[in-house]
Amino acid sequence: SAVISQKPSRDICQRGTSLTIQCQVDSQVTMMFWYRQQPGQSLTLIATANQGSEATYESGFVIDKFPISRPNLTFSTLTVSNMSPEDSSIYLCSVRSGLGNEKLFFGSGTQLSVL
Amino acid sequence: LAKTTQPISMDSYEGQEVNITCSHNNIATNDYITWYQQFPSQGPRFIIQGYKTKVTNEVASLFIPADRKSSTLSLPRVSLSDTAVYYCLVGDNNNDMRFGAGTRLTVKP
Repeated sequence: SAVISQKPSRDICQRGTSLTIQCQVDSQVTMMFWYRQQPGQSLTLIATANQGSEATYESGFVIDKFPISRPNLTFSTLTVSNMSPEDSSIYLCSVRSGLGNEKLFFGSGTQLSVL
Repeated sequence: LAKTTQPISMDSYEGQEVNITCSHNNIATNDYITWYQQFPSQGPRFIIQGYKTKVTNEVASLFIPADRKSSTLSLPRVSLSDTAVYYCLVGDNNNDMRFGAGTRLTVKP
């Protein structure tokens, strides 16, 4: 298994500002994933972050809006840039770990409210 | 990528067995079937995973028919604390990161 620490756990931000969310894993992992979950909805994959390469973004998400860093095998950040109220959501960091790497483990999420 | 279909919601009572079925008609040969549980204000948590036939662990059983086009998560004797959203994911190590709509299970006293 993997233990994931994500911070901040919540934040209230002003429109037009940016927030960087940090994700720390207790073991080295190749792939880290960032999700967004809007109220009452399922999880939507934003991007996949591999150490040493550019993140791969899903359709509808762009690097200018959601830049991601992956400086090493245990850490990643997601920045939500130039925020608007539509960015209010829960952002979750995830890694794949375990025998055969088939299981996803999640942080507790960052609840973001944009005013 | 195998698309999954689950019931949007289900209700049950404490002590009953709950079965949640997931359809995945275009599952690929290398795909595993994985179920996750999510409580409010928490990230999803792994419950069980299988490839074919039946898998059982301390919290649930997973039934997969021979054609693997569907799977059923079985929760024995549910309690109020099992109220959560349950997600079925289908994929291999390269493409199993996308979540479907999930099933919102409500357990009543």
